[in-house]
Amino acid sequence: AQTVTQSQPEMSVQEAETVTLSCTYDTSESDYYLFWYKQPPSRQMILVIRQEAYKQQNATENRFSVNFQKAAKSFSLKISDSQLGDAAMYFCAYRSDNAGGTSYGKLTFGQGTILTVHP
Amino acid sequence: DARVTQTPRDKVTEMGQEVTMRCQPILGHNTVFWYRQTMMQGLELLAYFRNRAPLDDSGMPKDRFSAEMPDATLATLKIQPSEPRDSAVYFCASGILSGRTIYGYTFGSGTRLTVV
Repeated sequence: AQTVTQSQPEMSVQEAETVTLSCTYDTSESDYYLFWYKQPPSRQMILVIRQEAYKQQNATENRFSVNFQKAAKSFSLKISDSQLGDAAMYFCAYRSDNAGGTSYGKLTFGQGTILTVHP
Repeated sequence: DARVTQTPRDKVTEMGQEVTMRCQPILGHNTVFWYRQTMMQGLELLAYFRNRAPLDDSGMPKDRFSAEMPDATLATLKIQPSEPRDSAVYFCASGILSGRTIYGYTFGSGTRLTVV
């Protein structure tokens, strides 16, 4: 079974600064996707960024970028120019792309990191 | 933007009562998930469907929980009888699972269930 670990229960950052959230995962599969979701106090789960495991290039979405290290099974999220609206719980998630496997399409989440942004 | 609609948003019920949570997935999405979020356990997958067929419900307590998709526009999660330990936020999510898709799943806003 796949597992996702977020070792930082809480992180904080000053507005306009950069912060990196860590995520590691364990899998024996070669085809999978990785995601970061944001959950603000409204509790809505919002997709922030996605990465296909077969792509070497790190995904980028505006101020959000990832550092995907496939061999190390690491998938960190970097938030640049942090804004007050970035304050939320962030979840790293793994999705199997093994069509023949019992976990095909299943999204497995880490425990989350609470990000606080200080003005 | 297309949305996953969940009802009710909040539900308070007494122990032993039946609870039904509903989800309307995004039109055209072929995969529907039910997740439960608690402080202690985080986000747990309860069940998921592809093309309305159940793929995996191993995370769901079978004695009291049931999940169905009577049609492509409705997914339901029922708890009978409810217990205080079922208090949590229940999320529905939908997406497209077909080949090498690049889409993430879209989540509803959740149902906060409180069993007293």
